Amino acid sequence: GQNIDQPTEMTATEGAIVQINCTYQTSGFNGLFWYQQHAGEAPTFLSYNVLDGLEEKGRFSSFLSRSKGYSYLLLKELQMKDSASYLCAALWGNQGGKLIFGQGTELSVKP
Amino acid sequence: DGGITQSPKYLFRKEGQNVTLSCEQNLNHDAMYWYRQDPGQGLRLIYYSQIVNDFQKGDIAEGYSVSREKKESFPLTVTSAQKNPTAFYLCASSQAGGTNTGELFFGEGSRLTVL
Repeated sequence: GQNIDQPTEMTATEGAIVQINCTYQTSGFNGLFWYQQHAGEAPTFLSYNVLDGLEEKGRFSSFLSRSKGYSYLLLKELQMKDSASYLCAALWGNQGGKLIFGQGTELSVKP
Repeated sequence: DGGITQSPKYLFRKEGQNVTLSCEQNLNHDAMYWYRQDPGQGLRLIYYSQIVNDFQKGDIAEGYSVSREKKESFPLTVTSAQKNPTAFYLCASSQAGGTNTGELFFGEGSRLTVL
């Protein structure tokens, strides 16, 4: 199967920067997504990477290295509302194909 | 407004009963997905469909069945063969190809509890 690994939980301080890493199996890989999910709610889209490099979107940035099978989500100027689960998901095959999620990283932002 | 509608939001069933979860989208998306989420865990793929009248098994298809007779609809049946069906079920859709990123649009979820 397709394996995706990310840390189970992380803790950071309000106003700080945190980096959430994700590794995946590279064979057949065709794109990497990051989603945010608050407890009891559906995930919401944060970012999409298909080429190597950094994509910046406000306080959130996402990086991809296809050759290393590695991505990270960078959250700057952390706010209490950023406490949530962050899901890394990789696409294998064409768009509309098999999108597999990692277990999620539970981020706790403390004052 | 365009979106994905799942129903029911909460469902209770007795052991041995089949139950069908509804998922309807008016986004004109080709692809639709069903995921299962257990407490403290990520989403696990049950079934997905890239086009009408076709669908593929995901990683945990045993005990589930789906149909895709219409582009807008992708119902999931949780059968009595599913040993541990209590979970949060999420339906999603995406538009394949072209300049679309393939971003998933999710419904609000259906929480199934087996008594």
